[in-house]
Amino acid sequence: SQQGEEDPQALSIQEGENATMNCSYKTSINNLQWYRQNSGRGLVHLILIRSNEREKHSGRLRVTLDTSKKSSSLLITASRAADTASYFCATDLSYSGAGSYQLTFGKGTKLSVIP
Amino acid sequence: GAVVSQHPSRVICKSGTSVKIECRSLDFQATTMFWYRQFPKQSLMLMATSNEGSKATYEQGVEKDKFLINHASLTLSTLTVTSAHPEDSSFYICSARALGGYNEKLFFGSGTQLSVL
Repeated sequence: SQQGEEDPQALSIQEGENATMNCSYKTSINNLQWYRQNSGRGLVHLILIRSNEREKHSGRLRVTLDTSKKSSSLLITASRAADTASYFCATDLSYSGAGSYQLTFGKGTKLSVIP
Repeated sequence: GAVVSQHPSRVICKSGTSVKIECRSLDFQATTMFWYRQFPKQSLMLMATSNEGSKATYEQGVEKDKFLINHASLTLSTLTVTSAHPEDSSFYICSARALGGYNEKLFFGSGTQLSVL
């Protein structure tokens, strides 16, 4: 079954606004990662947050992790038209008894930033 | 940053033919490469994990004889879709994990859109 589930499935905002995407997962994780995918392209790693971290920043990106609720959020501040893409959370189950390295992706949130 | 090159980016073929997709890590050695399949507006579905010099590990439901994976070196993995059929039409993406260290993130190729007529 899908480990990560993003919410919302689609999000449309005006340029300059903030965009918040959420991810929920089911089992214990080693870390959680966010990736971005432009239409018809591969994925690009954005940020990684470990299970013992609660918040992390990278430029205009802010990620939070709540392991008690098994959820994470990705905030993009001051969005730009170039941020238009699909965003996926991925959970790393390594060192959780899940066997070898394994990254499981959610279904993604499609973000549209209107100029 | 690390670069993974995937070729071809798009391929159209007739039903019954075989298609080979290459995935190369250009500036690093990849201990492990992963092959995913993605349907429109869907997530990535892991098909198989390949380690250099050993047989690939396929996910449940993925036919080994249909999707042949070869990981001949630390920089190259190939996926061959044998006797392709229209239902094999999809977006295929490879990713690589760097050798050594505590490398938890993946580097992705740009994907291959396969259309089987």
